[in-house]
Amino acid sequence: QEQLQQWGAGLLKPSETLSLTCAVHGGSFSAYWWSWIRQPPGKGLEWIGQIDHSGGTSYNASFQSRVTISLDTSKNQLSLKLNSVIAADTAVYYCASHCSGTNCYYGFDTWGQGTMVSVSS
Amino acid sequence: QSALTQPASVSGSPGQSITISCTGTSSDVGGYNYVSWYQQHPGKAPKVMIYHVSNRPSGVSNRFSGSKSGNTASLTISGLQAEDEADYYCSSYITASTLYVFGTGTKVTVL
Repeated sequence: QEQLQQWGAGLLKPSETLSLTCAVHGGSFSAYWWSWIRQPPGKGLEWIGQIDHSGGTSYNASFQSRVTISLDTSKNQLSLKLNSVIAADTAVYYCASHCSGTNCYYGFDTWGQGTMVSVSS
Repeated sequence: QSALTQPASVSGSPGQSITISCTGTSSDVGGYNYVSWYQQHPGKAPKVMIYHVSNRPSGVSNRFSGSKSGNTASLTISGLQAEDEADYYCSSYITASTLYVFGTGTKVTVL
């Protein structure tokens, strides 16, 4: 059973870079793919981007110029970087896997615990 | 890409059935059988309840079922229980640069 554990800085100033890491425990790192999703306080979910086991990425057009998702296969970790943050980037950020066991699908199966990131001067 | 439309709230009494709708367009919900549903309790991460319109992950109660007709997907909760009180979100895969879109969310209240 895959488990996702995430961490990163929780308080940023405007214009700084948001940086989060998600460690993948269990599952099949060499075959899975993952997404980052965020949720502003009291609001709905928003998909940020996706990375597959070979490092291939897709990003929400709304973040395209500011976001980078990468893999560290030696550590079974994925990371999210969002440049030039503003107050509107304040949200809980989640990493999520699209796979469970040998079943991968177009949805989000396993979720990290979430990391609250606040942007304030 | 606009968010999928869900009712803001749905309520029901214990034991009843309720249905939550998720309306999109032919470019998302109507175009692919890749709608999923998530349950989120306050302060918790979402949990997948249905994927690919009507598939239930292992461990999810069979009281939860999903369907789709045209551009609208639906989640039905039968035998409503107090523990079902939560926010519910739908999501659809789309083949654009933005791969996934979420619904606006529905708060389910058990009376």
